[in-house]
Amino acid sequence: AQSVTQPDIHITVSEGASLELRCNYSYGATPYLFWYVQSPGQGLQLLLKYFSGDTLVQGIKGFEAEFKRSQSSFNLRKPSVHWSDAAEYFCAVGAPSGNTPLVFGKGTRLSVIA
Amino acid sequence: EAQVTQNPRYLITVTGKKLTVTCSQNMNHEYMSWYRQDPGLGLRQIYYSMNVEVTDKGDVPEGYKVSRKEKRNFPLILESPSPNQTSLYFCASRSWRAGGGRDTQYFGPGTRLTVL
Repeated sequence: AQSVTQPDIHITVSEGASLELRCNYSYGATPYLFWYVQSPGQGLQLLLKYFSGDTLVQGIKGFEAEFKRSQSSFNLRKPSVHWSDAAEYFCAVGAPSGNTPLVFGKGTRLSVIA
Repeated sequence: EAQVTQNPRYLITVTGKKLTVTCSQNMNHEYMSWYRQDPGLGLRQIYYSMNVEVTDKGDVPEGYKVSRKEKRNFPLILESPSPNQTSLYFCASRSWRAGGGRDTQYFGPGTRLTVL
């Protein structure tokens, strides 16, 4: 069965600092991988997704993520964090066949300090 | 504009009073699902539907019902709500049959439910 682990429940970074949010997945083959962001009081918005090909994927709002098969990881990065990036971030894994539900991690809450 | 809508956005009710949360999508997606979000537990799937008249249980289906009579709508029904169903609920739809890079799940804005 698929599973997703986000090891960090809460991360605090200074505005302008770099960010890396960790995501590890368990899946028998190459999965589809997603990162979503949930701003306070809002729904979930897709940041980026990986299906195949280039293992470094670019998303919206200046985020990128790198798929590392050997480490079963799909970490999210941003070179310079803005105060508006404070939110909850969810990693999700799906099967390439598409006919099974996405499995979400428990989320990482990002706080940004001045 | 691709959209998943939910109503109501906020609801306060009492134990045992039946309620329905509606969900509608305008993207002609086959796949729709309901999640609940609770602090420390992340998103947990309640029910999902692969197509019209096809529904299946997710991880936490107890106390909930769904129906999928039309492709665009996927209501969540709480026949006899209890306080432990106080939560934030999200509806989602997905283009899984598109395959490949077009497989994207869209979420509604959420419904905050309080059961007293």
